[in-house]
Amino acid sequence: NAGVMQNPRHLVRRRGQEARLRCSPMKGHSHVYWYRQLPEEGLKFMVYLQKENIIDESGMPKERFSAEFPKEGPSILRIQQVVRGDSAAYFCASSPVPSGSSGANVLTFGAGSRLTVL
Amino acid sequence: GQQLNQSPQSMFIQEGEDVSMNCTSSSIFNTWLWYKQEPGEGPVLLIALYKAGELTSNGRLTAQFGITRKDSFLNISASIPSDVGIYFCAGQLLGAQKLVFGQGTRLTINP
Repeated sequence: NAGVMQNPRHLVRRRGQEARLRCSPMKGHSHVYWYRQLPEEGLKFMVYLQKENIIDESGMPKERFSAEFPKEGPSILRIQQVVRGDSAAYFCASSPVPSGSSGANVLTFGAGSRLTVL
Repeated sequence: GQQLNQSPQSMFIQEGEDVSMNCTSSSIFNTWLWYKQEPGEGPVLLIALYKAGELTSNGRLTAQFGITRKDSFLNISASIPSDVGIYFCAGQLLGAQKLVFGQGTRLTINP
């Protein structure tokens, strides 16, 4: 009965290095979302993916950030050349195909990956 | 982008008291959800609301989807120590899949 699995739970990187965060959605879920949470703040949407497709990346920074959800394997959020401002908790959520004509959607979240940039 | 204004930002209450928090927006939402987040963990769904005017309970928690579809509130009755955490409202715009989150209400309970 695995939920949304994220790893690593904690990641420390020096400025200029790359960070890769992985997310395996719940069984049967085909939609993945990435959110970022800064300390003492709410969750900010970054990107929404289905298998092999980026559906909405309106919340992704224009540079250094990328996301993928390949046909096989977990979704990856990649941050290149990290800076101190990238330090945050990154949450992945998944959902099944939205139900009904209203498209109502319930997201299940993972425990998050906490990135610290030194 | 769309904004959800959640209030209050924090609450300090005595055990046994009732709690009320709300979210408002200038946009119309198709779905309202309430999540709770505890330290070091991800948000956990408490209640989902799908229709304007809907009132739904989950144990001591009650939430309502506002008639105008621009607001929602969450009530917690007879609070207990394990209610401590950060409560987030989240809304889904019609035709969109992503959720927009409020800033959160941090609940602290004095025993």
